[in-house]
Amino acid sequence: SQKIEQNSEALNIQEGKTATLTCNYTNYSPAYLQWYRQDPGRGPVFLLLIRENEKEKRKERLKVTFDTTLKQSLFHITASQPADSATYLCALAEFTGGFKTIFGAGTRLFVKA
Amino acid sequence: ETGVTQSPTHLIKTRGQQVTLRCSSQSGHNTVSWYQQALGQGPQFIFQYYREEENGRGNFPPRFSGLQFPNYSSELNVNALELDDSALYLCASTNGGAEGTDTQYFGPGTRLTVL
Repeated sequence: SQKIEQNSEALNIQEGKTATLTCNYTNYSPAYLQWYRQDPGRGPVFLLLIRENEKEKRKERLKVTFDTTLKQSLFHITASQPADSATYLCALAEFTGGFKTIFGAGTRLFVKA
Repeated sequence: ETGVTQSPTHLIKTRGQQVTLRCSSQSGHNTVSWYQQALGQGPQFIFQYYREEENGRGNFPPRFSGLQFPNYSSELNVNALELDDSALYLCASTNGGAEGTDTQYFGPGTRLTVL
């Protein structure tokens, strides 16, 4: 079955810079891939969904890319702010023997003022 | 805040006991998924219900079972609790149908501690 790898090390960046987070998957390309934000003690919040036939998706300061050749999605936050500090999760859907959603372990982002 | 609610917020049980967690999905959503999230890990998919039928299941033993009701609310039942069952249990609803191809709205979770 699919596995998702996200950088387990925390990412520390300065306010105003662009944060780039990586999500790699191991097997076949999923029909779509999602990114979520999770704050401590709370449920994940949906940010963006990108389908396999889309190369890039944007929403305000967020941008997601999807490279099926590299089996990788990149998540960018431009002009980062301290309020962007959170854990960011990558997830994909698998349809073998029923529906499943697989999440990565997440990458913790710290934005310093 | 999403319209997904979960109860209880926190729960403490002892090994071997049984627990029932509840979830009310967002209005208009017919699909509910349950996840287990251990500290420092991503959510692990337990199962999904679509219109009262189990639509998919992750790698969890049969002592994890669920129900979805006609109003699309849902329950997660765990029998014979083990220490490793201690985690945050998340419920997510969507209106994506059997393929779940839609935004998932998560509840705040139930923190279960097994002693």
